[in-house]
Amino acid sequence: DIVMTQTPLSSPVTVGQPASISCRSSQSLVHSDGNTYLSWLQQRPGQPPRPLIYKISNRFSGVPDRFSGSGAGTDFTLKISRVEAEDVGVYYCMQATQFPLTFGGGTKVEIK
Amino acid sequence: QVQLQESGPGPLNPSETLSLTCAVSGYSINNGYYWGWIRQSPGKGLEWIASINYRGSTSYSPSLKSRVTISVDTSKNQFSLNLSSVTAADTAMYYCARHPLPQWGQGTMVTVSS
Repeated sequence: DIVMTQTPLSSPVTVGQPASISCRSSQSLVHSDGNTYLSWLQQRPGQPPRPLIYKISNRFSGVPDRFSGSGAGTDFTLKISRVEAEDVGVYYCMQATQFPLTFGGGTKVEIK
Repeated sequence: QVQLQESGPGPLNPSETLSLTCAVSGYSINNGYYWGWIRQSPGKGLEWIASINYRGSTSYSPSLKSRVTISVDTSKNQFSLNLSSVTAADTAMYYCARHPLPQWGQGTMVTVSS
C-alpha cells in the first residue's frame, strides 16, 4: 500500500498569512498513463470532504485561487496564499494512482 | 455538474448487513472513471472501502474484502455497497465518490448498535 504522510498535524495561522501543507507518498504517484493522481480535499467542521485540487495542481471550479498545489513524484504541497476564516478545517491529500486508495492523516488549519 | 447522493439504512444491529446505494446525476457512469466508497469513523480519518468501474471491474480494501461487495447498475446510473456482519466498529459516515477525478457525495451516517 502507498502510505501518505502529511505534515504538520496542525497549522495555527493568522488571517491573511500564508499556510503550507506537505504530503509525502511512500512510492511515486506517477501512473502508467503518465498522470499523477494526487488530490487535495478540504473538510470544514461538520461537512463532507470537498475536493479542491486534482492531479497535483488543478483547481476545481469554484475553488479560490489562493489555493495552489505543487509537487511531483513523491512530494507534494498545498499552499494557501492568504488564509481566510472560512478556510478553517482539516485538509487531506489523497492518492488514486494505485489501489488501495490511501489518504494522508489530515492537517488541521485553525486561526490563531 | 456531477452529483452523487448516498442512500442507506437506519440504525443497524450487530451481525446485520449494511446496504448502501449511490445515485449519480449529471454524468453517466458508462463514460468512465471509477466509483467507490469511503468511510470516516467519528473523529477519525478517511478509509477507502471499495471501487468499481462501468465494466464491473472491482477493487477492495484488503482489511474489509471478506465482508464487502460492490456492484454497479448502469441502467439506473448508480452503484451499491454491501457490508456483511457489521459491528460497532463499522459505525461511520459513509461517502460515495468518483475517482481519479474526485467528486464526493454528502455522506450518510451509519450507526451499528445493539
